[in-house]
Amino acid sequence: DAKTTQPTSMDCAEGRAANLPCNHSTISGNEYVYWYRQIHSQGPQYIIHGLKNNETNEMASLIITEDRKSSTLILPHATLRDTAVYYCIVRVGDTGNQFYFGTGTSLTVIP
Amino acid sequence: AAGVIQSPRHLIKEKRETATLKCYPIPRHDTVYWYQQGPGQDPQFLISFYEKMQSDKGSIPDRFSAQQFSDYHSELNMSSLELGDSALYFCASSLGAVGYTFGSGTRLTVV
Repeated sequence: DAKTTQPTSMDCAEGRAANLPCNHSTISGNEYVYWYRQIHSQGPQYIIHGLKNNETNEMASLIITEDRKSSTLILPHATLRDTAVYYCIVRVGDTGNQFYFGTGTSLTVIP
Repeated sequence: AAGVIQSPRHLIKEKRETATLKCYPIPRHDTVYWYQQGPGQDPQFLISFYEKMQSDKGSIPDRFSAQQFSDYHSELNMSSLELGDSALYFCASSLGAVGYTFGSGTRLTVV
C-alpha cells in the first residue's frame, strides 16, 4: 500500500472549515483513499473514502486531485468535538487487508 | 446499529502473566483485525482473520496468538506479558473490504 504524508498538527477556529491535506504520490490505480479519525484513545472512526471522484457525506468532503497524488479532507464547520488525530490511508479497495496508519494530523479546534 | 464489541474495556496484569482479549465483530462481518497502539503511538497492525483462517500477519510478537471462532468472534491471547505490552488493543471487522469498523478498544496495563 502507498505511503501517505500529512502535516503533524493544525489548528482551526470553531465554525470555520478545516482543510486537512494528504500527499500520496505513489498511489496505485486500484488504491482508495480512506480517512479515519481518533478522538483521544477511542477507536478510530471512519469518516469518508474515495477512489478518484470527489466524495461528500454527512461528516465531511473528500477532494482528490486529478492525478490522485494528493487529497484534502474538508470538515465544513468545525466544532470542538472535531478535535482529534486524522489519518489519511491508502489501500487497495477490493481486499480485506489491514490499514497502515501513518502519523496523522492532530487537529485542534479553537473556540 | 451494532458495533464491534471488545471486552474487557480495561485490564491490569502483572509481568509474566497471561491475558485474553475478546472481540465480537459486527454481525455478518467475516474479517477481524487486531491492532496495538502504544502510548503516543499510531495503531500498528498485529494480525487478521478471514472466515476463521489467518489472512495476514503484522508485527505480532511470538508470545501473542489469536484465533477466530465459528461464531466469528476472535480472541487475542498474550502470554509472558512485559511492561512494553501496555497499550490499547483495537479490534476491527469488515465484510471483505467493506464497512471497516473499529471497536472501542481494550486498555491493557502491565505492572
